Amino acid sequence: DIQMTQSPSSLSASVGDRVTITCRASQGISNHLAWFQQKPGKAPKSLIYAASNLQSGVPSRFSGSGYGTDFTLTISSLQPEDFATYYCQHYNSYPPYTFGQGTKLEIK
Amino acid sequence: EVQLVESGGVVVQPGGSLRLSCAASGFTFEDYSMHWVRQVPGKGLEWVSLINWDAGNTFYADSVKGRFTISRDNSKKSLYLHMNSLRTDDTALYYCAKDQSHRGYSYGDYWGQGTLVTVSS
Repeated sequence: DIQMTQSPSSLSASVGDRVTITCRASQGISNHLAWFQQKPGKAPKSLIYAASNLQSGVPSRFSGSGYGTDFTLTISSLQPEDFATYYCQHYNSYPPYTFGQGTKLEIK
Repeated sequence: EVQLVESGGVVVQPGGSLRLSCAASGFTFEDYSMHWVRQVPGKGLEWVSLINWDAGNTFYADSVKGRFTISRDNSKKSLYLHMNSLRTDDTALYYCAKDQSHRGYSYGDYWGQGTLVTVSS
C-alpha cells in the first residue's frame, strides 16, 4: 500500500504569512492527490484535487503543486479562517486511498 | 445540493456488530462510488472502504478487511457499513463521502457530518 507522509505535523504562523505544507508518497502517484481542510467539530472539506486544481469556491490564496511523489499545499496570505488541520490523500489506481497524518496550522 | 446524512452510531460491546447507514440526496447516487472514512476523536483521517457505483466492486483497509462489509441500495439512495467483530480501536467518528469521479474511483468531494461509534464494555 502507498504511504503518505506530511510535514510538518504542526505549524505556527501569523495572519498574512505564506505557509507551505509538504506531502510525500511512498511511490509515484502521478497527480492523483487531494488536499482537505478540517476545522474542529466539522467534516473535512475538499480544497484541491489532481494536485493543483482548486475545488469550486475555494479562495485563490490556496494553491497546490507537485507530481509523482512530492507535493505541496501553499496558502499565500493566511487568513483567520485558515487555521485548521490539513490532510493530503492519494487516489492513485485502486484503493486503499491513504491519508497523510495531518498538519495542524495554529495561530502564532 | 449534495447532502449525506450518516446514522446508526451507538455504544457497542467488543465483539459486537453494528450497521451504519448514509442517506444521500442532491446527486445521481447510482452514478458514483462511495467511501467510508473514520476518525478517532482528536486523531487523523483513516480511509476505511469504497464501493463502486453498481456495487460490483468493493475495497477495504487492511484494518477492517474480513470484519466490515460495505454495501449500497441504489433504489433507496443509501450506503451501508456492516461492522462485525468490533474492537475498541474501531471507536471513531465514521463519515460517508461521495466520490468525485463519475463512474470511477477518486477522492471524496462531499462528506457527511459523521456518526460516532463507541466500542466499550
